[in-house]
Amino acid sequence: DGGITQSPKYLFRKEGQNVTLSCEQNLNHDAMYWYRQDPGQGLRLIYYSQIVNDFQKGDIAEGYSVSREKKESFPLTVTSAQKNPTAFYLCASSMWGRASGANVLTFGAGSRLTVL
Amino acid sequence: RKEVEQDPGPFNVPEGATVAFNCTYSNSASQSFFWYRQDCRKEPKLLMSVYSSGNEDGRFTAQLNRASQYISLLIRDSKLSDSATYLCVVKFNTGNQFYFGTGTSLTVIP
Repeated sequence: DGGITQSPKYLFRKEGQNVTLSCEQNLNHDAMYWYRQDPGQGLRLIYYSQIVNDFQKGDIAEGYSVSREKKESFPLTVTSAQKNPTAFYLCASSMWGRASGANVLTFGAGSRLTVL
Repeated sequence: RKEVEQDPGPFNVPEGATVAFNCTYSNSASQSFFWYRQDCRKEPKLLMSVYSSGNEDGRFTAQLNRASQYISLLIRDSKLSDSATYLCVVKFNTGNQFYFGTGTSLTVIP
């Protein structure tokens, strides 16, 4: 079955450490996204990518970095510069442009990061 | 002003009740509209897209009012399994970004 796989599901990190969250999709989607969700808040966009080797900052990109070397993969690194990294991180993908289904976001199961 | 705003609730309704959620959006150039459902500590999942003429899927009815810039979701004959957070999502014509409301919490009580 096609879908999005995020790993790890749970992650604990000490302050000052970088951590990388994995996101892999086999939906052949062009666009991929990273969101952050905090309790009682909506999803906030961190980064998104429309094509390989290209990505754009979202609303809260500071302290995060991404890469898009393959269409299927869009890893997110939470750096030590991120002041409050404890959150639920969601990766999503969609088709790009005006193709049927381009407007629908599909999510992975999420990664829950806790900084100790 | 936030791009998408929802009443966070919570809405606590008895089984069998009808409940309606509204969501307003700020950008009149918005292109696409959706309702997602999110269970506790899980990822959001698409409940239904919202079309200009309104659309229905079983007990769920979605409406779009472009003039007033709001969308609505109506749930009839509520079931215990409908308990979740419902997210309003809007995609603008420019770029490929999706904007999320904070979600409306629904609890259906036996």
